[in-house]
Amino acid sequence: AQKITQTQPGMFVQEKEAVTLDCTYDTSDPSYGLFWYKQPSSGEMIFLIYQGSYDQQNATEGRYSLNFQKARKSANLVISASQLGDSAMYFCAMREWTGNQFYFGTGTSLTVIP
Amino acid sequence: NAGVTQTPKFQVLKTGQSMTLQCAQDMNHEYMSWYRQDPGMGLRLIHYSVGAGITDQGEVPNGYNVSRSTTEDFPLRLLSAAPSQTSVYFCASSTRGDLGQPQHFGDGTRLSIL
Repeated sequence: AQKITQTQPGMFVQEKEAVTLDCTYDTSDPSYGLFWYKQPSSGEMIFLIYQGSYDQQNATEGRYSLNFQKARKSANLVISASQLGDSAMYFCAMREWTGNQFYFGTGTSLTVIP
Repeated sequence: NAGVTQTPKFQVLKTGQSMTLQCAQDMNHEYMSWYRQDPGMGLRLIHYSVGAGITDQGEVPNGYNVSRSTTEDFPLRLLSAAPSQTSVYFCASSTRGDLGQPQHFGDGTRLSIL
């Protein structure tokens, strides 16, 4: 079974609009962390935001927020006020307390339209 | 401020050749890993290490070898290159025991096998 599922291969959003990128995860470990990374066309992996399984509040980092719904096992990334520079691949990842590995989804390609 | 350094950035090999992709980090991270990235498949874990002298297989280990003799270095060896190993390879590192710490990535190695 996939540990991380991203069901949106590609997404389009109008500049200045908000967009939600979906991520669901699968784990039986009660302690885990969820991450989002951005990969622009230049190829580097940029860490965006983190949510811990015991965190009571949704994580926010500037224009990025994480809509964490623990019971549904979802950790959607919300980008507010999209900018042209947000066009990139976005990856959701999870790390369990036991095992140390990071599990990545297949990514979502976001295109911001002027 | 080096972080994770991968060399080379680009490489072309002939089928059957062997080579080593180098990865070094200067953050004293215990956890290091190698991924390959192929279109539509996200990041797939090849091998990982939780400390010097300790390595383990990831999702796609066949055809690759690793060793971890020091905390800083985690080379990836292709034993006999095959066209199916044409990919972009990323090395990453992180601390252990702190779920909130993201992985730091190198800039990647673009490898083509002819």
